[in-house]
Amino acid sequence: DAGVIQSPRHEVTEMGQEVTLRCKPISGHDYLFWYRQTMMRGLELLIYFNNNVPIDDSGMPEDRFSAKMPNASFSTLKIQPSEPRDSAVYFCASSLGLFGGYTFGSGTRLTVV
Amino acid sequence: KQEVTQIPAALSVPEGENLVLNCSFTDSAIYNLQWFRQDPGKGLTSLLLIQSSQREQTSGRLNASLDKSSGRSTLYIAASQPGDSATYLCAVYTGNQFYFGTGTSLTVIP
Repeated sequence: DAGVIQSPRHEVTEMGQEVTLRCKPISGHDYLFWYRQTMMRGLELLIYFNNNVPIDDSGMPEDRFSAKMPNASFSTLKIQPSEPRDSAVYFCASSLGLFGGYTFGSGTRLTVV
Repeated sequence: KQEVTQIPAALSVPEGENLVLNCSFTDSAIYNLQWFRQDPGKGLTSLLLIQSSQREQTSGRLNASLDKSSGRSTLYIAASQPGDSATYLCAVYTGNQFYFGTGTSLTVIP
């Protein structure tokens, strides 16, 4: 297995534009997590899914953020419209069981100018 | 609201030394606590998971302890190696939310 695959690795966009981050979890994992990491706030859990169903989205900062998991092998995190303060590294992770061994993707570094 | 603090923010030790990383949390009503390792430019690797009913967990040179009543956990690394250099984060799960510490950046000097 190639691990958790995130795309793109880097994204630079202008304020106000829509940004879509993508994640392919490890096959067979039933949990998928989206995290955001910044220097100021550290690592934050945004949302997580179990069997494609969102379980806890209390970490999603604003309505501008939305996440979907249409099937077991794909998830998206969308920001619309993007703002400079959204600049961060966004990680996706998957696991078998809520506390199974987590596998993280390499992250997407988002810069909003 | 749960707050998780890690002290120190950075630590530098010579190779071979034993060391302790600290994690404290403000609300003892946790479901479990995890320690993660993060290498530069990469995601996190789960190191140890301690359930609220447990006092410690061990994996190789790593030992994590949990004192839920005092809101503290420690990660003990024995005989440190340069390959241990990374940022170490702790996270508590309250049953419905995860809270992460800001991490301790460890450098092990050869």
